[in-house]
Amino acid sequence: DSGVTQTPKHLITATGQRVTLRCSPRSGDLSVYWYQQSLDQGLQFLIQYYNGEERAKGNILERFSAQQFPDLHSELNLSSLELGDSALYFCASRSGSEDEQFFGPGTRLTVL
Amino acid sequence: GQNIDQPTEMTATEGAIVQINCTYQTSGFNGLFWYQQHAGEAPTFLSYNVLDGLEEKGRFSSFLSRSKGYSYLLLKELQMKDSASYLCAVTNTGTGFQKLVFGTGTRLLVSP
Repeated sequence: DSGVTQTPKHLITATGQRVTLRCSPRSGDLSVYWYQQSLDQGLQFLIQYYNGEERAKGNILERFSAQQFPDLHSELNLSSLELGDSALYFCASRSGSEDEQFFGPGTRLTVL
Repeated sequence: GQNIDQPTEMTATEGAIVQINCTYQTSGFNGLFWYQQHAGEAPTFLSYNVLDGLEEKGRFSSFLSRSKGYSYLLLKELQMKDSASYLCAVTNTGTGFQKLVFGTGTRLLVSP
């Protein structure tokens, strides 16, 4: 158990819909990262927040957005969903004193 | 841009030794991570190399050559539970720890 929690574990929805994925980092970690892992593809970095502020952006679609709240939990919002958005979405957190990122269990999103 | 290459799949026998290679091309290289990921689960941290040389951690060792843009992960005394994907990821000085750029991973199958 990494200490990072993600909800929900599974999500099934239809094209065109909007969903919100939630992540709680390890206690005390200020950095939160979001990654997407599609079938047979590597982990793709989406976006990073540090203490409530956006710090880095990857190839995140305009239909996707995220935020980090004062209590440090983060949400990833996916809208106008397409079939190709079906993937595992991982959140990771990191403290300022360690090198590694700790990954949550992921949310498996299925768009039908 | 960045390019990270790993073999797609490898097979090995229980008790044997296997070496998983990773080559990368990136500007402003900072460090290289290895993560293990069982199917459908979160990646878990194995090692982090910044300087050239070999770092050993129990049955797992990781090597880095910055001048050659090359790393390998060495797994000794293979066990069935080592069947998983092994992900190589780099960080850059420009982004520091803002994001990990992952290769597509090497799926290792350990047979009895």
